[in-house]
Amino acid sequence: DGGITQSPKYLFRKEGQNVTLSCEQNLNHDAMYWYRQDPGQGLRLIYYSQIVNDFQKGDIAEGYSVSREKKESFPLTVTSAQKNPTAFYLCASSEGTGGRLYEQYFGPGTRLTVT
Amino acid sequence: RKEVEQDPGPFNVPEGATVAFNCTYSNSASQSFFWYRQDCRKEPKLLMSVYSSGNEDGRFTAQLNRASQYISLLIRDSKLSDSATYLCVVSLNTGGFKTIFGAGTRLFVKA
Repeated sequence: DGGITQSPKYLFRKEGQNVTLSCEQNLNHDAMYWYRQDPGQGLRLIYYSQIVNDFQKGDIAEGYSVSREKKESFPLTVTSAQKNPTAFYLCASSEGTGGRLYEQYFGPGTRLTVT
Repeated sequence: RKEVEQDPGPFNVPEGATVAFNCTYSNSASQSFFWYRQDCRKEPKLLMSVYSSGNEDGRFTAQLNRASQYISLLIRDSKLSDSATYLCVVSLNTGGFKTIFGAGTRLFVKA
């Protein structure tokens, strides 16, 4: 089955620790994205990548880092510099950018709780 | 002013009703438009892209009005399973990719 997988589904960390969230897709999509969602708010773009070995900051990149070494993988690291890391993190992919290529498909998400 | 605005609702409708959601966007350079649905504590799922000519998929109809900068979603013959949050999404590429999600409109369909 083609799709996007994220792991783990739930993650608990202590403040001050870095944590890496996994995102893998087998849709052969060029573009991948990371969003966070807070209760009652819309999704906000953290980072995106349109091609392997290239990525761009989104609206709220501070305290996060990413890599795109393989087309199918786009892991997100939440660093200790992120002030409010507790959130629902969603990874998405699309064929590319432009028109219908912007149609994004989401993984099931990771709920991160930092205490 | 938010870049993408939606009425948060909730909309409470009986089964079989017709319900309409509107969404306004502020950037006239917006290029692509979508509706997603999101169930509680789940990921958003693409419902439909919105084309300039309008498009229909079963009980769902989406319209785009570029002059007034809004998109709409009409759901006919509502089902209990339509209960969800509907997200309006706008994408544009003006020297850098940008996608903006509305905060969503909550719909409850009751028996």
